[in-house]
Amino acid sequence: AQKVTQAQTEISVVEKEDVTLDCVYETRDTTYYLFWYKQPPSGELVFLIRRNSFDEQNEISGRYSWNFQKSTSSFNFTITASQVVDSAVYFCALSVHGGSQGNLIFGKGTKLSVKP
Amino acid sequence: DTAVSQTPKYLVTQMGNDKSIKCEQNLGHDTMYWYKQDSKKFLKIMFSYNNKELIINETVPNRFSPKSPDKAHLNLHINSLELGDSAVYFCASSQAGEQGAQHFGDGTRLSIL
Repeated sequence: AQKVTQAQTEISVVEKEDVTLDCVYETRDTTYYLFWYKQPPSGELVFLIRRNSFDEQNEISGRYSWNFQKSTSSFNFTITASQVVDSAVYFCALSVHGGSQGNLIFGKGTKLSVKP
Repeated sequence: DTAVSQTPKYLVTQMGNDKSIKCEQNLGHDTMYWYKQDSKKFLKIMFSYNNKELIINETVPNRFSPKSPDKAHLNLHINSLELGDSAVYFCASSQAGEQGAQHFGDGTRLSIL
């Protein structure tokens, strides 16, 4: 069975601090995909990144960076110099190749509050 | 143009009623999904559907049924609504070969009185 764990329920930081959101996944499949989505207070789900299981290179996109480590089954997300607009619930998700047409299995989310 | 659109955005109704939520995507994707987000923000797959196969999450009550008139639409019908059905329902779509790269609609907030 597949599972995604986001142990941090809520995180609160002050603007300009760096913050890391943790994600640990479980799967027996060798081919899988990992994702992060952002859900701001307005409620929509915004796609941030997709990573496949064969690509362990870290990725940076502006103030966002992702650290994928298969050895620890983790796919952590770091926001550098956080801003108030980063306040949202962040979801990590897993999809298994060929499984159920790519259904996303979500973690329970981490609510990030960035205070001015 | 909106890629995945859901209507209505808000739906308030009484217990026992039957209601539908519509979803349309203009991305040319071949697979569509419905997810439910409960009051604790937990997101869970309900259905996934392409023109070949409907996959139903076994925990979904059979009062919920997806209907797809064509590749661009996947509507959600709910019969005999119950208090526990109150949630936000998200539609999504993706293209085969782009595993999991799903585009989501803005959600429909269903409130049962």
